[in-house]
Amino acid sequence: QVQLQESGPGLVKPSQTLSLTCTVSGGSISSGGYYWSWIRQHPGKGLEWIGYIYYSGSTYYNPSLKSRVTISVDTSKNQFSLKLSSVTAADTAVYYCARSFGVDGFDYWGQGTLVTVSS
Amino acid sequence: QSVLTQPPSVSAAPGQKVTISCSGSSSNIGNNYVSWYQQLPGTAPKLLIYDNNKRPSGIPDRFSGSKSGTSATLGITGLQTGDEADYYCGTWDSSLSAHVVFGGGTKLTVL
Repeated sequence: QVQLQESGPGLVKPSQTLSLTCTVSGGSISSGGYYWSWIRQHPGKGLEWIGYIYYSGSTYYNPSLKSRVTISVDTSKNQFSLKLSSVTAADTAVYYCARSFGVDGFDYWGQGTLVTVSS
Repeated sequence: QSVLTQPPSVSAAPGQKVTISCSGSSSNIGNNYVSWYQQLPGTAPKLLIYDNNKRPSGIPDRFSGSKSGTSATLGITGLQTGDEADYYCGTWDSSLSAHVVFGGGTKLTVL
């Protein structure tokens, strides 16, 4: 059974960089065939896709966040990571990592981690 | 403002059937597969339907999906109190700013 677990600071100061890591267990990122995404949910709101990475390192980002987002993969640790720069209060959200077998169709999700942007 | 439009809420009695609509355009639903997710309070979304109408292993056949043109529909029969949740549709939008898009979510209340 594939499991995903997000980790990282729960509080980030404005203008700084938000950094989160997703650790995958029960399956190997490098086995291919799946895309590994970050998705966020503002408090009381809907879902917003941030971007995905393939095991090869190829990435695709939401155009609305592209200028501030970097997603990377470390296959040796079976992890992928999110960096979101120049954060503001509008980036306060629950951040999920998820797996999909295509460009959508997210079949496994992490439990989510709340990141608050505040001084 | 979400790219995909869902009704904010729907309700029905236990045992009844409910449908949730998801409206989009030719750049998203019209030319791409649709997936549906159930989000129980305080938990991560769960995949219910993918590729318009396929159910992952473990999802009961009370849940069904369909697509016609630029709209998709999630159907739930034999409603249970445990079905009370937020439901989201999602798909790829292949416009110039291509990316995954979701509906705004529909709150299902089982009366």
